[in-house]
Amino acid sequence: DAGVIQSPRHEVTEMGQEVTLRCKPISGHDYLFWYRQTMMRGLELLIYFNNNVPIDDSGMPEDRFSAKMPNASFSTLKIQPSEPRDSAVYFCASSRAETQYFGPGTRLLVL
Amino acid sequence: DAKTTQPPSMDCAEGRAANLPCNHSTISGNEYVYWYRQIHSQGPQYIIHGLKNNETNEMASLIITEDRKSSTLILPHATLRDTAVYYCIVGLNYGGSQGNLIFGKGTKLSVKP
Repeated sequence: DAGVIQSPRHEVTEMGQEVTLRCKPISGHDYLFWYRQTMMRGLELLIYFNNNVPIDDSGMPEDRFSAKMPNASFSTLKIQPSEPRDSAVYFCASSRAETQYFGPGTRLLVL
Repeated sequence: DAKTTQPPSMDCAEGRAANLPCNHSTISGNEYVYWYRQIHSQGPQYIIHGLKNNETNEMASLIITEDRKSSTLILPHATLRDTAVYYCIVGLNYGGSQGNLIFGKGTKLSVKP
């Protein structure tokens, strides 16, 4: 298996622009997690899905952030409009049981 | 807040065993101890987990004290590639519980030649 796939790996955008991050989980995994990592706040869970349904989005910072999982093999995290403070590494992870498998992350820089 | 306490950093000589401690004095009876690591610029990687018995896999060994208030992750023969931040986390053991895991600051392990 190729593991969790994320795209793009790097994204540089200007404040106010829409940003879409993509994730393909490992086939057969029924949980999908979106995390954000910064130096100041460490690794934070934003939202997670079970069988494509959002279960807990309490970590989503504000309404500018939204996440969808239209099918078992694809999820998006969208930021609209983006702000400089959104600059971070965003990780997607998937799980079938008690362990998570993380993707390589998307490094986002908002200027 | 993280339920665990780890030293911020440790050094280990290449080829020697690396012993990473973790305190989790408030762990509840049905919570597991998980260890993940994050190599620079990569996503976190699962290492091992356990409830009360010692566990071993191809990556590491996990020693949990009898009162379960602390544990030690052992990398038997550390290599330079083991340089990473190691996270000790406590949580329940089912798929959805992964959403409640809190990654704290971890221990930055530096393996030196």
